[in-house]
Amino acid sequence: QKEVEQNSGPLSVPEGAIASLNCTYSDRVSQSFFWYRQYSGKSPELIMSIYSNGDKEDGRFTAQLNKASQYVSLLIRDSQPSDSATYLCAVKLNFGNEKLTFGTGTRLTIIP
Amino acid sequence: ETGVTQTPRHLVMGMTNKKSLKCEQHLGHNAMYWYKQSAKKPLELMFVYNFKEQTENNSVPSRFSPECPNSSHLFLHLHTLQPEDSALYLCASSQDADQPQHFGDGTRLSIL
Repeated sequence: QKEVEQNSGPLSVPEGAIASLNCTYSDRVSQSFFWYRQYSGKSPELIMSIYSNGDKEDGRFTAQLNKASQYVSLLIRDSQPSDSATYLCAVKLNFGNEKLTFGTGTRLTIIP
Repeated sequence: ETGVTQTPRHLVMGMTNKKSLKCEQHLGHNAMYWYKQSAKKPLELMFVYNFKEQTENNSVPSRFSPECPNSSHLFLHLHTLQPEDSALYLCASSQDADQPQHFGDGTRLSIL
């Protein structure tokens, strides 16, 4: 079983709609969760971090964490063509542990 | 200059060459990381340095040799690489082990 699992996509969403990206992780004691956006040929860019169960909103982005189900998601409201990128989910085991485990990423395409 | 800077951006080398990748961060961070990103695979953590001390070596072959002379600079020395080592090598830094990591633009390495 992969440690961090994402649907590789591609996921196509019409402009203005909500894009929903999902991630599951295998280690139940994981504490920190991150979403990175990576444009083609560019480096990963941190979008959101979440540490507690529930929702965390930042502008058009909402991260949702459910530790009981070992599930973290990213919602992008009012999707724009500039949101087209690969979204990487990353999980950290516990506080004080530097190791960040990444999923393979979901490729998102926003259709104008 | 701000952020995490990596040089060179592109590198082509033969299997018998010796070269080095350089990373510099201007964020005042204390932890620095090397990652390998290959097509269709998750980002793989290679090495972690925290306050200039190596704290993680993720079973990386000895043909990759890291060096961290101070908290702002990180090198990856390459020697006798294999074709499967062709990938994007990303450097990242964070304030400490619990803070999000920020990435450089990477070095695209091709082994002939």
